[in-house]
Amino acid sequence: DAGVIQSPRHEVTEMGQEVTLRCKPISGHDYLFWYRQTMMRGLELLIYFNNNVPIDDSGMPEDRFSAKMPNASFSTLKIQPSEPRDSAVYFCASRRSSRDKSSGANVLTFGAGSRLTVL
Amino acid sequence: RKEVEQDPGPFNVPEGATVAFNCTYSNSASQSFFWYRQDCRKEPKLLMSVYSSGNEDGRFTAQLNRASQYISLLIRDSKLSDSATYLCVVSEIGTISNFGNEKLTFGTGTRLTIIP
Repeated sequence: DAGVIQSPRHEVTEMGQEVTLRCKPISGHDYLFWYRQTMMRGLELLIYFNNNVPIDDSGMPEDRFSAKMPNASFSTLKIQPSEPRDSAVYFCASRRSSRDKSSGANVLTFGAGSRLTVL
Repeated sequence: RKEVEQDPGPFNVPEGATVAFNCTYSNSASQSFFWYRQDCRKEPKLLMSVYSSGNEDGRFTAQLNRASQYISLLIRDSKLSDSATYLCVVSEIGTISNFGNEKLTFGTGTRLTIIP
């Protein structure tokens, strides 16, 4: 199992440019999450999908952010136009749903993250 | 009040010592609890789940106190390799009746450095 795969690992861009981050979840996982991590705010949930359908996007900061999941093996997070305050590490994570509500059933597996710097 | 609160640290602890972290959560309806570990410039990884009766995994012990709404992590005989940020994670069942629809809320983490 290759785990959750994210690209790019690092991106440096200028303010106003479009940024697209990509994620391939673990095969068989039907939940996909996008998180943003900064020193000040920690890990924040931006949006999550279940079976490719967006379920909760209340964490998306503003209209400049959009996310898609066209199929079970691919998702994108797009920022257009980017701003310096968007600089952060963006993590994608996935998990499978389970009827077992015990603590061990809903474990998230994270990708290595995409470190974004907007100048 | 934050949903999940942790002491950010840093905790600087000599090798071999015992260290404990607490984490408080605000939602009494929270269902599941976890500790994740995050190494510098890496992704968070599950360290252990926290069960109602408390659980132990080697040198690590996790406990849950529902009445006071906190969870704890105890590390015994600390090793240099334990240096990391420890994230407290709380799961709430979403309003939609769906066994998979749960919201995980992360604390901002407690940074631990083990000193040789």
